[in-house]
Amino acid sequence: GNSVTQMEGPVTLSEEAFLTINCTYTATGYPSLFWYVQYPGEGLQLLLKATKADDKGSNKGFEATYRKETTSFHLEKGSVQVSDSAVYFCALSGSGSARQLTFGSGTQLTVLP
Amino acid sequence: EPEVTQTPSHQVTQMGQEVILRCVPISNHLYFYWYRQILGQKVEFLVSFYNNEISEKSEIFDDQFSVERPDGSNFTLKIRSTKLEDSAMYFCARLDRAATEAFFGQGTRLTVV
Repeated sequence: GNSVTQMEGPVTLSEEAFLTINCTYTATGYPSLFWYVQYPGEGLQLLLKATKADDKGSNKGFEATYRKETTSFHLEKGSVQVSDSAVYFCALSGSGSARQLTFGSGTQLTVLP
Repeated sequence: EPEVTQTPSHQVTQMGQEVILRCVPISNHLYFYWYRQILGQKVEFLVSFYNNEISEKSEIFDDQFSVERPDGSNFTLKIRSTKLEDSAMYFCARLDRAATEAFFGQGTRLTVV
C-alpha cells in the first residue's frame, strides 16, 4: 500500500535560517504529492503540490520537487520566518478512484526570533 | 472554490453516546472525505464518499462509524457509541473540481469523557 515517511521533528531554527524537511514515499502508479501546513489551533491548509515527476511546487517561499528516481518530495525554504512555525505534513494522493490522501507523521517547526 | 465548513468546532460527549459531526456546504461536489487526527499523531484517512455512497474506507472505519448525505447539503459522520479513543480532531475534505487537490475544513475537536 501507499506510505509516506517524513523527517521526525521537532525542528527548531532561528529566523532566516534554511529549512529542509525530508519526505519520501512508497506508492503504486503515479501519485500526486502535497505539503500541507497546520498552524496552531487551525485546520490543514494546502501549501504546495506536484502532480508529476520533476514538477516543482512552490508557495510562500517554500519549494518541493517531485523526484521519482529517489521517491522524494523534500520541502525547502531559503529563509524561514517566525510566522512559519507550524506542523508540516507531506502527503500523497493515490491514482485509485477515491484519491484519498496518505499522510506522513508531520514535522513540528518552531522558528525563533 | 467555496470553503468547507464543519460544525461544531468542538464537541464534548460522554463515553457511549452517539455523536454526529457535520460538514457543509457540499453542493456540486462529488468526492468527500473524513479524516481524523489523534492529538500529536498523523492525519488518518477514514472514509471517502462518492456519488452518495461510500467509495473506500479504512480499517479504522468500523461498524461504529457511518456517513450520510441526508439532505443533499450536509455530509455527516456519525459515531454510534463513542469510546475514549475516539477523542481526536475530525476533518472533512472535498476534492476540487479538477480532482487534483483536497480542501479541508477547520475540523471538529471531539473529546470523549
